[in-house]
Amino acid sequence: DAGVIQSPRHEVTEMGQEVTLRCKPISGHDYLFWYRQTMMRGLELLIYFNNNVPIDDSGMPEDRFSAKMPNASFSTLKIQPSEPRDSAVYFCASSPRDSKETQYFGPGTRLLVL
Amino acid sequence: DQQVKQNSPSLSVQEGRISILNCDYTNSMFDYFLWYKKYPAEGPTFLISISSIKDKNEDGRFTVFLNKSAKHLSLHIVPSQPGDSAVYFCAASASYGNFNKFYFGSGTKLNVKP
Repeated sequence: DAGVIQSPRHEVTEMGQEVTLRCKPISGHDYLFWYRQTMMRGLELLIYFNNNVPIDDSGMPEDRFSAKMPNASFSTLKIQPSEPRDSAVYFCASSPRDSKETQYFGPGTRLLVL
Repeated sequence: DQQVKQNSPSLSVQEGRISILNCDYTNSMFDYFLWYKKYPAEGPTFLISISSIKDKNEDGRFTVFLNKSAKHLSLHIVPSQPGDSAVYFCAASASYGNFNKFYFGSGTKLNVKP
């Protein structure tokens, strides 16, 4: 079984550019999570979806960040415009309906904003 | 406001000995706790969990203990193996009606020496 798939694995961009991170959750999982990991703040939950509907987006840092889940097999996290302080590793995770706490993480996208 | 704290950034243990990783939390609403293991350049991997109605859960070499009165949980690895060398994250979940909040600690890097 394929795990959670994220793309790209690495992204280098310049300040002000739009960045789009992509995630394909494990098939059959109802929950999808976006996390950000930085040295200063550790692993933070940005937003999570249940059956494609955003449930809690209180962790989204600013209006520059937006996330969508148009269908059960795809989600995007967009940063527009990007800033150097957005540099981090972004993880996507998914979990099944009966065990939302047990999350399966993707390999992450390492983002560097210059 | 860190609601889940791992105060030891690193731990070094000899192969065959016990590794004890600690985690403290502040939110009494947390009802589910998990440990994840993370290797470099990979996403966190679920290791073991415990519900707040229990005080111990065991899975092979891994045991998690929960002390609710002290708001403290620990992960015991016995015996420790070099392949256990990784960063270990403590995580907690709280239910608020129809949505949950998820928090992660900052991680403890375990080094098991051969």
